[in-house]
Amino acid sequence: GAVVSQHPSRVICKSGTSVKIECRSLDFQATTMFWYRQFPKQSLMLMATSNEGSKATYEQGVEKDKFLINHASLTLSTLTVTSAHPEDSSFYICSARDAGALETQYFGPGTRLLVL
Amino acid sequence: GENVEQHPSTLSVQEGDSAVIKCTYSDSASNYFPWYKQELGKGPQLIIDIRSNVGEKKDQRIAVTLNKTAKHFSLHITETQPEDSAVYFCAASDGAGNMLTFGGGTRLMVKP
Repeated sequence: GAVVSQHPSRVICKSGTSVKIECRSLDFQATTMFWYRQFPKQSLMLMATSNEGSKATYEQGVEKDKFLINHASLTLSTLTVTSAHPEDSSFYICSARDAGALETQYFGPGTRLLVL
Repeated sequence: GENVEQHPSTLSVQEGDSAVIKCTYSDSASNYFPWYKQELGKGPQLIIDIRSNVGEKKDQRIAVTLNKTAKHFSLHITETQPEDSAVYFCAASDGAGNMLTFGGGTRLMVKP
């Protein structure tokens, strides 16, 4: 149980385009999902907290107009990187918190984004 | 806010030896401490967690200890195997559904 999927697993795009990443909780309901960014050999940096049915809460320094988050259902959250630039290249990871076990976060496999 | 420090940043052990990774946290309100294992190119995988109402938890070769007074917690891996090689992250939260604060990670290398 407690499986979180992400799609796509990797994406290469041209500078200026937008990229959408999906995060799904497959076998549990997630009232809250989190989006992280991870640079090589570094820890996870929380970008935003996504609550089902309400606006996402962004961490300081994260542009909400650049990283659009939608959490339309209890099993799906999406992150859209708008007008991507090479500096947005990174490993994006989502996690989902089981509504029945509020403390535990389960992570997706990550999405490798490369912006050319 | 919470600050989590993790040591060492890299750890190399011989297969069969034990490995210990230590973390300290700053917020006395934190009461949930998970550990994650991340293999190259993959997302973190929860391997064990501990809540503040216990001092130790064990799951086969993995154990976690918590000292709330000193605000530190540790991961112990016994009889290490090459497949234990990965990056390990500790984290802390105050429960109540709040966010996790992660340590900087430890790269564990188990030599066959």
